[in-house]
Amino acid sequence: DAKTTQPNSMESNEEEPVHLPCNHSTISGTDYIHWYRQLPSQGPEYVIHGLTSNVNNRMASLAIAEDRKSSTLILHRATLRDAAVYYCIGSKAAGNKLTFGGGTRVLVKP
Amino acid sequence: ETGVTQSPTHLIKTRGQQVTLRCSSQSGHNTVSWYQQALGQGPQFIFQYYREEENGRGNFPPRFSGLQFPNYSSELNVNALELDDSALYLCASSSPPGQGGYNEQFFGPGTRLTVL
Repeated sequence: DAKTTQPNSMESNEEEPVHLPCNHSTISGTDYIHWYRQLPSQGPEYVIHGLTSNVNNRMASLAIAEDRKSSTLILHRATLRDAAVYYCIGSKAAGNKLTFGGGTRVLVKP
Repeated sequence: ETGVTQSPTHLIKTRGQQVTLRCSSQSGHNTVSWYQQALGQGPQFIFQYYREEENGRGNFPPRFSGLQFPNYSSELNVNALELDDSALYLCASSSPPGQGGYNEQFFGPGTRLTVL
């Protein structure tokens, strides 16, 4: 699995966008980029994934650099409920056997 | 639709003892993965079970073992507990591996194990 690097923490104001960067310079051509988040006292939950193209879903958008060495998770309007640790994962498996790093702790201020 | 459930919620054991943790997968899922999450760190993959067989293992010693039952529920067993085994143990279920498409992992709330 690809090694990923994320900032330890980020702060945002409520209803403002949040851009979470992730570096994965060792990613291979067949590695997916997955994002999961872990709310306090809960197990992780899936946010989004992508391979080469940018992706959007109801929770977030994923922007993948053309060389695939980095990506950015975008939360369009942060809410207090989005306060969590966000994990970026690069993995060959299509969603299975994930290797989590330290993640980015997102604080949302009202 | 029933989500992933785990039992017990909390558990306290002493060093050298053995522990069994249980997981019921989400309806329709026949693949179960176990993860260990130490305080302040991300989850680490222990192993995965599919069709009652181990289907991949992370960097954990043999004293970590598991079972999967015909109803797809699963157990994680840890023998000869060490202080460093204190952690949140997470179970995740998903669709069968290797069938094309994406296998989103659905995590349970975890079992908090404390080893004294």
